Amino acid sequence: AQSVSQHNHHVILSEAASLELGCNYSYGGTVNLFWYVQYPGQHLQLLLKYFSGDPLVKGIKGFEAEFIKSKFSFNLRKPSVQWSDTAEYFCAVRRGLTGGGNKLTFGTGTQLKVEL
Amino acid sequence: SQTIHQWPATLVQPVGSPLSLECTVEGTSNPNLYWYRQAAGRGLQLLFYSVGIGQISSEVPQNLSASRPQDRQFILSSKKLLLSDSGFYLCAITRGTAYGYTFGSGTRLTVV
Repeated sequence: AQSVSQHNHHVILSEAASLELGCNYSYGGTVNLFWYVQYPGQHLQLLLKYFSGDPLVKGIKGFEAEFIKSKFSFNLRKPSVQWSDTAEYFCAVRRGLTGGGNKLTFGTGTQLKVEL
Repeated sequence: SQTIHQWPATLVQPVGSPLSLECTVEGTSNPNLYWYRQAAGRGLQLLFYSVGIGQISSEVPQNLSASRPQDRQFILSSKKLLLSDSGFYLCAITRGTAYGYTFGSGTRLTVV
């Protein structure tokens, strides 16, 4: 079965520190990759997604992620975090196949806390 | 643009009582619909998905069921709630493989 792993469950950073959150998946075929963010008390929001093309994807709020096919990874990065980035971050993977319901499989999430 | 309406926002129900959560969609037709449950430390678990009216696929065996009586209506139900059904339930849609997903605002269910 396809799985998505986020190894960092809780991350605490100071403002202006750099961020990298790891995401690995187990499926070997074509995949679509997503990062979602959930700010306290708010909906899930899409940060960025990768379908094809340039493996370095730019998202909203200064986030980016790099798809490394050989490592089955899609790590999220931000050069300098802000207090307002405190949130829970979810990596998600969809198998790039027709049929099968277009199911999106999520990782367990990483809780990021940014301290002033 | 597509919009998801999900209600209620919070719900407290006794063990053994029935459940009905509704999700309706505007701004798109024939979407794929999903019910997810979010539990602390466990991420979002896919419970059910539907690719069309009356078509329901279950991802995990459980005390819940889903139905899609209309194209843009997705219902999550239970005849008798268990304590373990507590959680945050999210409805989501996508228009297909080339598109991303939109999530509803969720329902916080507490079974007491």
